[in-house]
Amino acid sequence: DAGVTQSPTHLIKTRGQQVTLRCSPKSGHDTVSWYQQALGQGPQFIFQYYEEEERQRGNFPDRFSGHQFPNYSSELNVNALLLGDSALYLCASSPGTFVLTFGAGSRLTVL
Amino acid sequence: ELKVEQNPLFLSMQEGKNYTIYCNYSTTSDRLYWYRQDPGKSLESLFVLLSNGAVKQEGRLMASLDTKARLSTLHITAAVHDLSATYFCAVDIYNFNKFYFGSGTKLNVKP
Repeated sequence: DAGVTQSPTHLIKTRGQQVTLRCSPKSGHDTVSWYQQALGQGPQFIFQYYEEEERQRGNFPDRFSGHQFPNYSSELNVNALLLGDSALYLCASSPGTFVLTFGAGSRLTVL
Repeated sequence: ELKVEQNPLFLSMQEGKNYTIYCNYSTTSDRLYWYRQDPGKSLESLFVLLSNGAVKQEGRLMASLDTKARLSTLHITAAVHDLSATYFCAVDIYNFNKFYFGSGTKLNVKP
């Protein structure tokens, strides 16, 4: 079982650019959530997708958007990057509710 | 907004000693999760606590939940160096896998 896979693992962008991060959920999982983890902090909930719809959203601006595809994979898009967007972005999947399985993350550095 | 507070934030202990990490949260919930994160790695699920009085044990770690006190504890028995990591508690108050994480407890077990 491949678990949750994310790509890319590391990337560097400059302020104002746009970025797309990708996530494939664990086999059998239909719900995908995205979290932002700043250095030295706990993860913060960005949003959650189920049946290709955004089901819940955290306290993040509209610059953060996402998508879920029919095969349950998901993308996170961030527009107009700010220095403060530098963080580890974690994708987590679940078979509905209960335990989240996290991917290894995509580390974004904004210069 | 739900607040999840962990203490201590940093813990340095000798091998063989016992210690407890505390997780307090501000809103009623009967779902509490503990995760471990090694440096540069993703989050690994340790325990899922789903009811008042729940106690789970795995090796040298034992977690408990008191929903009336809004408190969970992670007890470490006879610590070993391999337990060095950052430990996060997370609360799901709406039962939709929208997790609120604490800031984490960075544990360093010295040989």
